[in-house]
Amino acid sequence: AQSVAQPEDQVNVAEGNPLTVKCTYSVSGNPYLFWYVQYPNRGLQFLLKYITGDNLVKGSYGFEAEFNKSQTSFHLKKPSALVSDSALYFCAVRPRNSGNTPLVFGKGTRLSVIA
Amino acid sequence: GAGVSQTPSNKVTEKGKYVELRCDPISGHTALYWYRQSLGQGPEFLIYFQGTGAADDSGLPNDRFFAVRPEGSVSTLKIQRTERGDSAVYLCASSPGQGSYNEQFFGPGTRLTVL
Repeated sequence: AQSVAQPEDQVNVAEGNPLTVKCTYSVSGNPYLFWYVQYPNRGLQFLLKYITGDNLVKGSYGFEAEFNKSQTSFHLKKPSALVSDSALYFCAVRPRNSGNTPLVFGKGTRLSVIA
Repeated sequence: GAGVSQTPSNKVTEKGKYVELRCDPISGHTALYWYRQSLGQGPEFLIYFQGTGAADDSGLPNDRFFAVRPEGSVSTLKIQRTERGDSAVYLCASSPGQGSYNEQFFGPGTRLTVL
């Protein structure tokens, strides 16, 4: 069975500081990995995904994520946080070659960037 | 272009009533997904369609829940004899093609409240 763990319910960071939102996964074989962001009263917005190749993936709004196969992790990062980055972040996984099967999501991490 | 739309945005109903939630996916997207998101949780899979047929309905919690997509575009999630535990945000997503590397595009959700 596939699963995603986001060990932190809440992450607080000062504006301008680097941020990290953690994600680890459990899936048979090699996965595709995704990060989504959810603003209040809005649907989930796609940030970035890991398919293959370079372990460091760059996405929207200056976010990036690093795939680490040995640690089964896909942590989300940003070098300099903005107050507008405050939102709920979800990591998701899907096995390769599984067609259009649904994504399995973590519980989410609430990021709060303080001015 | 137009994204995924969902109607209504909010639905309040009484225990025991029947409700229908509608999803209009991005034009041309063949895969359509329904998820349910409870407070403090990530989206949980309910059912997904590839074209007109339900490819996987293993996430439906019981036989009070049913979904259709008769023409391979708009989908309706139907809940009979609603219970207070059905209260949640119901999210719809769509994605193109068959590739498991494709991200899903989410609608804003329908917040269902069962009194």
